[in-house]
Amino acid sequence: DTGVSQDPRHKITKRGQNVTFRCDPISEHNRLYWYRQTLGQGPEFLTYFQNEAQLEKSRLLSDRFSAERPKGSFSTLEIQRTEQGDSAMYLCASSLEFQGENEQFFGPGTRLTVL
Amino acid sequence: AQSVTQLDSQVPVFEEAPVELRCNYSSSVSVYLFWYVQYPNQGLQLLLKYLSGSTLVESINGFEAEFNKSQTSFHLRKPSVHISDTAEYFCAVSRRAAGNKLTFGGGTRVLVKP
Repeated sequence: DTGVSQDPRHKITKRGQNVTFRCDPISEHNRLYWYRQTLGQGPEFLTYFQNEAQLEKSRLLSDRFSAERPKGSFSTLEIQRTEQGDSAMYLCASSLEFQGENEQFFGPGTRLTVL
Repeated sequence: AQSVTQLDSQVPVFEEAPVELRCNYSSSVSVYLFWYVQYPNQGLQLLLKYLSGSTLVESINGFEAEFNKSQTSFHLRKPSVHISDTAEYFCAVSRRAAGNKLTFGGGTRVLVKP
């Protein structure tokens, strides 16, 4: 396994459309995180999973956002009724939670542009 | 809640000169500290981390950072930069009790000039 992959790398959509992003973590990693990065800012935490359980969601994650990790492997992040303010880079990271040590490995990101 | 402040948004520096990127954090409990680097058109990569033990941590490419608990700082330094160090650098903290989710600073863009 060469690392965390994300698909698509770029997505352009019109306001009001739904979009779905996919993240494939490093295979043995039990934790998966989603972050959002807007231009000129550091990444901001959105949500994370331990195996298939979603353990925390940020206040940034409005009702239009939903994330799943159905089999504890890949994860999807869906945004319904996209708004221009959703334009950002969406980053996925995975880690092996073991005795508190947690190095997160990041994917290349999905850049979303909402027109 | 925890927060991270990177005091410099941009740092221009000449090749072979030293560089220091400042990072301060606030947290009422102990945290883990990280520096990540993002090269142009690439994903975030871990540069170095402090979990416990020695307060001075080093990376394989010559960077070092020192954890200062009294000043709640984790500044990053390199004694001599290369053109290839041009990138954006992010300081981050996490807490095990908070799921180890990362809280990032705003980033410091380093531009190394020949």
